[in-house]
Amino acid sequence: DVKVTQSSRYLVKRTGEKVFLECVQDMDHENMFWYRQDPGLGLRLIYFSYDVKMKEKGDIPEGYSVSREKKERFSLILESASTNQTSMYLCASSLYSHSYNEQFFGPGTRLTVL
Amino acid sequence: GENVEQHPSTLSVQEGDSAVIKCTYSDSASNYFPWYKQELGKRPQLIIDIRSNVGEKKDQRIAVTLNKTAKHFSLHITETQPEDSAVYFCAASDLYNQGGKLIFGQGTELSVKP
Repeated sequence: DVKVTQSSRYLVKRTGEKVFLECVQDMDHENMFWYRQDPGLGLRLIYFSYDVKMKEKGDIPEGYSVSREKKERFSLILESASTNQTSMYLCASSLYSHSYNEQFFGPGTRLTVL
Repeated sequence: GENVEQHPSTLSVQEGDSAVIKCTYSDSASNYFPWYKQELGKRPQLIIDIRSNVGEKKDQRIAVTLNKTAKHFSLHITETQPEDSAVYFCAASDLYNQGGKLIFGQGTELSVKP
C-alpha cells in the first residue's frame, strides 16, 4: 500500500509567518506534487518535482517555494504567509511512466492564516 | 497551457438513477484522462482512467467515454448509491511530454439521495 503522509492535518498561522508543510511518501516514487484545493477551483498545482533537488513551477507558484533534499520528502514553504493562502494543501506522489500515471494523495493540511 | 473544464459543479440524483459528469480539455496532445473521487474529509483516489487510444472503458457501475475530436470525456455512473456521494475530479495529461503532471477540472459535487 502506498502511503503518503503530511506533517499536520490542521495548522493556524499568523500573517507574515514562515510556514513549512512536509510530505513523505514510502514507495520510492520519483514524482511529487503540491496542490491547493479551494471550493469551485478544483486542485491547482503549485509546484512539482521529478527528482531529488529538482523542482518545477505549477500553475500558481507565487508566494510559495519548495524543497526536495531526499527522494521521499517534499516540502512546501510559505515564506511570508498571507490570508489568501488559507486553503487545503494536498501532497501527491507518483511513479514516472509513459503508460500509467496514478497519483497517490496525502490526507491534506488545512491551513488557516489569520 | 492545458485547461480542463468540468460540468456541472453540483449534481443531485435519486438513488438508482444515472449520473453523468462532463469534461473538456484544450491541449490536443493530452493522451491520458483519469477520474478521481474524493469523499468528504478524505483524500482523492483514482477510480478509473482512459487513454487516448480507447473510446470507452467500463468498470462495474462506472464508465468513461472519450471523444478525441471534440476533446471531450465523460464519467457515467449507473444505478447510483448513497456511497457514490462525493466530489469527482477529471484530469488530463500528456504522458510522453509532461511526465506525471495532471491538470484537474474544477470538481463536481455529486449527491445521491436515498
